[in-house]
Amino acid sequence: QITLKESGPTLVKPTQTLTLTCTFSGFSLDTGGVGVGWIRQPPGKALEWLALIFWDDDKRLSPSLASRLTISKDTSKNQVVLTMTHMDPVDTATYYCVRRPLRGQNWFDSWGQGTLVTVSS
Amino acid sequence: DIQMTQSPSSLSASVGDRVTITCRASQGISNYLNWYQQKPGKPPKLLIHNTFSLQSGVPSRFSGSGSGTDFTLTISSLQPEDFATYYCQQSYSSPYTFGQGTKLEIK
Repeated sequence: QITLKESGPTLVKPTQTLTLTCTFSGFSLDTGGVGVGWIRQPPGKALEWLALIFWDDDKRLSPSLASRLTISKDTSKNQVVLTMTHMDPVDTATYYCVRRPLRGQNWFDSWGQGTLVTVSS
Repeated sequence: DIQMTQSPSSLSASVGDRVTITCRASQGISNYLNWYQQKPGKPPKLLIHNTFSLQSGVPSRFSGSGSGTDFTLTISSLQPEDFATYYCQQSYSSPYTFGQGTKLEIK
């Protein structure tokens, strides 16, 4: 059974850095073709893809946020970490961790429950 | 970035109805189009990948079609559990953009 779980602060202040951790089980980021990524959803709004890291440590970042985003993995811990700098109230959203299951197929078959991050002073 | 536009934004329908949701890409994406269903307070669920391929466990009343820039998700006979918001997503090139969503409501 594949599970992903997001963890991190629920409240951050403007200008602070957000660090979110995705801890997953049921698959390995050592497996060729596999990727783990992040998608967010502001309250009542649409989904926005943020970042993806692959089994070979290749990375893809949303160009509109690339200057603020870092994604990394710790394969031994089955974790992926997303950092986002210079947080702003518009970054208030539910942040989801997702799995990309296959090489070259950038759809997301498993999702965490999401974690709501509020940006407010 | 490839822009994804869904229509309609919202839709009212009855149990048993046949429903079609459209997704248009701002440039050709071959068949790299996926559909997700999201219910309130829950994460999205993958329904269909690569335009046609039904994800394991998804009922056969869901189907997808299209190619290039124009795609559709069809629900052949709406069931009560199908009332939700539906999103398309292109997986042709990064950033892997989503449509704005179509909210399917009970008439």
